[in-house]
Amino acid sequence: QKEVEQNSGPLSVPEGAIASLNCTYSDRVSQSFFWYRQYSGKSPELIMSIYSNGDKEDGRFTAQLNKASQYVSLLIRDSQPSDSATYLCAVPSSNTGKLIFGQGTTLQVKP
Amino acid sequence: KAGVTQTPRYLIKTRGQQVTLSCSPISGHRSVSWYQQTPGQGLQFLFEYFSETQRNKGNFPGRFSGRQFSNSRSEMNVSTLELGDSALYLCASSLDANPNQPQHFGDGTRLSIL
Repeated sequence: QKEVEQNSGPLSVPEGAIASLNCTYSDRVSQSFFWYRQYSGKSPELIMSIYSNGDKEDGRFTAQLNKASQYVSLLIRDSQPSDSATYLCAVPSSNTGKLIFGQGTTLQVKP
Repeated sequence: KAGVTQTPRYLIKTRGQQVTLSCSPISGHRSVSWYQQTPGQGLQFLFEYFSETQRNKGNFPGRFSGRQFSNSRSEMNVSTLELGDSALYLCASSLDANPNQPQHFGDGTRLSIL
């Protein structure tokens, strides 16, 4: 089992819809969870950090964390074509302290 | 506040040469991590430095090395370049060695090996 798993996609949604991106992790004691957005040819950009169970909202983005089920998700409301990118989930390893990245989910928002 | 600065942005080398990449972290950040990103392998961790000490190392051959200076700036070096080293090399900084601190990436150095 990979330490951090994401569906590679592509996930295609129409403009204005809600995009739901999921990530599962194997380290039960992980305490922090990060979502990065990466446009093609660019570097990853941190868009959300979440540390406790429940939801965290920032504008059109909502991160949801469920530690019991070991998954974290990212919801993008009112999706825009400019949201088309690869979204990377990252979780620090409690053993090594390294930040472990998933393979990323490619999101396509169609006008 | 200025972000993470990586130089150079683009580099073309030939097999067998060596290369040095530079990273200046966000002001006040003392931890620097390096990653290699290729289309097939995704983001691969190279190493992490804090207070001029290597704290973590990924599964890369000894040709890949790095260091950190007292001002937290970091360099990575790749010797005896191979075609497979062509990649985007990313540097990320965080406030300190706490793994729960978010990392912020620079724009990367795109290395092409001919």
